[in-house]
Amino acid sequence: ETGVTQSPTHLIKTRGQQVTLRCSSQSGHNTVSWYQQALGQGPQFIFQYYREEENGRGNFPPRFSGLQFPNYSSELNVNALELDDSALYLCASSNRDGSYNEQFFGPGTRLTVL
Amino acid sequence: DQQVKQNSPSLSVQEGRISILNCDYTNSMFDYFLWYKKYPAEGPTFLISISSIKDKNEDGRFTVFLNKSAKHLSLHIVPSQPGDSAVYFCAASAQGSQGNLIFGKGTKLSVKP
Repeated sequence: ETGVTQSPTHLIKTRGQQVTLRCSSQSGHNTVSWYQQALGQGPQFIFQYYREEENGRGNFPPRFSGLQFPNYSSELNVNALELDDSALYLCASSNRDGSYNEQFFGPGTRLTVL
Repeated sequence: DQQVKQNSPSLSVQEGRISILNCDYTNSMFDYFLWYKKYPAEGPTFLISISSIKDKNEDGRFTVFLNKSAKHLSLHIVPSQPGDSAVYFCAASAQGSQGNLIFGKGTKLSVKP
């Protein structure tokens, strides 16, 4: 069974640029959630994708957007990067069956905005 | 406005003793709770969960207790091992939230040999 993978591991961008982060979900999982973890904080929910559609969103502006592909992998796109976007971005996959289920996290992408 | 609070940033315990990590929440709509462990440079790893219809769930050395009236849960690790040293996050979810997890800030556990 393949776990959740994310790419790239690290990324450095400058303010105003755009970035795309990628996530491959765990085998058998159909739902992907993205979280932002700032230093010293817990992960904060950005949004979730199920059946290729956004299915729930946290308190993040529209410049945070995403995609889910037919193979359930996902992308997180952030436009017009700001210094405060520097964080660890975590992807989590789960198998949504109408009941609660545990989310399994990837190792994250460390984004630094200069 | 933090809905999930872990008031102890750090905890140090001797190997073999019990570790107790605490978590409080404010949202009465939360009905599913999870604990995750995180090592540096890795993503959070799921440990154990509990539904609000229960007050205890046990898995090996890990037990989670839920006190709904106090809006409090705790994770007990017995016996603690040096490999348990990590940051522990408490997370909560509400029915109908599409599985949106609300995390606390974490407690760093150090288990000393």
